[in-house]
Amino acid sequence: NAGVTQTPKFRVLKTGQSMTLLCAQDMNHEYMYWYRQDPGMGLRLIHYSVGEGTTAKGEVPDGYNVSRLKKQNFLLGLESAAPSQTSVYFCASRRLNEQFFGPGTRLTVL
Amino acid sequence: GENVEQHPSTLSVQEGDSAVIKCTYSDSASNYFPWYKQELGKRPQLIIDIRSNVGEKKDQRIAVTLNKTAKHFSLHITETQPEDSAVYFCAAIGPPNAGGTSYGKLTFGQGTILTVHP
Repeated sequence: NAGVTQTPKFRVLKTGQSMTLLCAQDMNHEYMYWYRQDPGMGLRLIHYSVGEGTTAKGEVPDGYNVSRLKKQNFLLGLESAAPSQTSVYFCASRRLNEQFFGPGTRLTVL
Repeated sequence: GENVEQHPSTLSVQEGDSAVIKCTYSDSASNYFPWYKQELGKRPQLIIDIRSNVGEKKDQRIAVTLNKTAKHFSLHITETQPEDSAVYFCAAIGPPNAGGTSYGKLTFGQGTILTVHP
């Protein structure tokens, strides 16, 4: 089992560029989540999904879109990147109450 | 929504001492409280959790206590070792929505940087 994987690991964007972060899990979990982690602020929920074909907004959804076309994949999109979106992004999937995190994507927006 | 406050933001102890990290939460309907450890450059990993129907839980050198009345919970690490150095996050699963489920949405505290000096 690979668990939860994320691609890419690192990315540098210029303001206004777009990109998609991919999260994949092989544990057949229904629930998946996208968080961002900023210094001194813990992890904040961006969007989440309770199953294939469903998505919902979290605490800080503005500037992001998501899709869950397949159960094992959860995509996070930035349509027009801004410097305020410089962060480390973690994906997670959930079994019962426990969330399993991916290794993270470090994104810098110049 | 739920709000979780965590203190202290940094904690420095000598090897062998105990370390205590405290969190408070705002919504009395929250019912699950995990603690995550995150080493530098790594992903958060669950180290212990507690449900609202339990007051204390212990796993070797780590324990968590929950006071539902006061709405606070604490992580206790005894006999600290240098490999315990990391950032620790508390979290709470927020209250259910109008449909009766919280969808497992975690609200995290701000984190505590624990440094254990040899």
